[in-house]
Amino acid sequence: EDQVTQSPEALRLQEGESSSLNCSYTVSGLRGLFWYRQDPGKGPEFLFTLYSAGEEKEKERLKATLTKKESFLHITAPKPEDSATYLCAVQAPFQGAQKLVFGQGTRLTINP
Amino acid sequence: IAGITQAPTSQILAAGRRMTLRCTQDMRHNAMYWYRQDLGLGLRLIHYSNTAGTTGKGEVPDGYSVSRANTDDFPLTLASAVPSQTSVYFCASSVTASDPDTQYFGPGTRLTVL
Repeated sequence: EDQVTQSPEALRLQEGESSSLNCSYTVSGLRGLFWYRQDPGKGPEFLFTLYSAGEEKEKERLKATLTKKESFLHITAPKPEDSATYLCAVQAPFQGAQKLVFGQGTRLTINP
Repeated sequence: IAGITQAPTSQILAAGRRMTLRCTQDMRHNAMYWYRQDLGLGLRLIHYSNTAGTTGKGEVPDGYSVSRANTDDFPLTLASAVPSQTSVYFCASSVTASDPDTQYFGPGTRLTVL
């Protein structure tokens, strides 16, 4: 069964304190791993797609990495505006189509 | 501004009533999806459409129906709402239904069924 587990569930950091969020996955043939950011009351906002182990993508203070079993979202010197829930998802085949299997998310709070 | 719009933003509905959630995209994406998001369960796929004129059932389709008469619109209908359908509903789209392809999400509709 395709499954995505994110940890920790919640994380509080001080502004400037770097850390990493974890996304462990089990999928029958990874086709793509996606990171989204979700602000309260909003829809998920696309951040990155990773396709194969060893791949890395960066955007401002965020860097996503991928191994054969997990992905990390590294946050360097975060600012309060980085506070959000970060969602990880894997793309999996579903009845001749595709679906995203989401983790529960990590709720990140950056204190000034 | 290109993207996905959903309506209404929020709705309180009496059990047993019929409700249609609207979704429109202007990106000319072929594939569209409906998800529901519930605390502790994450986002789950309700229905999808690979291209205009075709639809398919997702993981949790019971009590919901969809149609895809054209490329831009993908309405979700609750024929007779029940309290367990209280949730936040997100519409999403992608260029194709092929893998891998990024799905882009709308702002959501918060639905409460009493």
